[in-house]
Amino acid sequence: GAGVSQSPRYKVAKRGQDVALRCDPISGHVSLFWYQQALGQGPEFLTYFQNEAQLDKSGLPSDRFFAERPEGSVSTLKIQRTQQEDSAVYLCASSLGPEQPQHFGDGTRLSIL
Amino acid sequence: SQKIEQNSEALNIQEGKTATLTCNYTNYSPAYLQWYRQDPGRGPVFLLLIRENEKEKRKERLKVTFDTTLKQSLFHITASQPADSATYLCALDKRGNNRLAFGKGNQVVVIP
Repeated sequence: GAGVSQSPRYKVAKRGQDVALRCDPISGHVSLFWYQQALGQGPEFLTYFQNEAQLDKSGLPSDRFFAERPEGSVSTLKIQRTQQEDSAVYLCASSLGPEQPQHFGDGTRLSIL
Repeated sequence: SQKIEQNSEALNIQEGKTATLTCNYTNYSPAYLQWYRQDPGRGPVFLLLIRENEKEKRKERLKVTFDTTLKQSLFHITASQPADSATYLCALDKRGNNRLAFGKGNQVVVIP
C-alpha cells in the first residue's frame, strides 16, 4: 500500500505481559517516528529513527519501552511488563527526511487489563 | 513551561461559512508548523506545513497563517462542508530536532 501500515490495529494484553507493535513506513522514507496518544489529547513523541539509527529516544516513558529499526525500514515498538497506564493508541509516522511532513498510520490501540 | 494551546471547545459552524481555528504557543521557537486532521479511530492526516519565513500558505479551501511575533497560527477552512467535520491538530517542531509537539486539537462540526 501507499501509506504507513501498523499492526495489529488492536491489542489486548494482561498486565505484566510483553507486547510488540509493528510499523511499515512509506517506502523510501528515511525518518520514522513513534508517538503515544491518550484519549482527547494530541500525540506525544516517543522516539525517532533516521534510517536504522535511533537518534532520539527522549520521549520513551521508561526503560520498559524499546524500539528498533534494524534494516532502516520496518520498525517495532516493544513494551515489556506492561502496566495499565500503558493503555493508549500508539502511532507511527514516516517522512522523507528532516523538516518534511510526517505521514501517520492509523495506530495500534493497546488495552492493558 | 512550553505550551501549545488550541481551543478546547468544539467549533460548530454552518455549512458554507469559514471556520477559523487558533494555535498559540509559548516558549517554542519553531522553524515550521504543521496542521493535521484526525477522524475518530484514525491517525492524523497531514494538511499543510508553513515555515517560519512564510506568512501564509494555501491549499484548495485551506489557508494557514504563521505569525512568529504573536506566536500564533490561524487555520481557515473556507466554504466549509459537513465532510470537513473532524479534529484539527496543530504541531510544531522543536528547533534542532525533528520531533513534533502537538496541541490537543480542536473539533470542528459543520452543520448542514
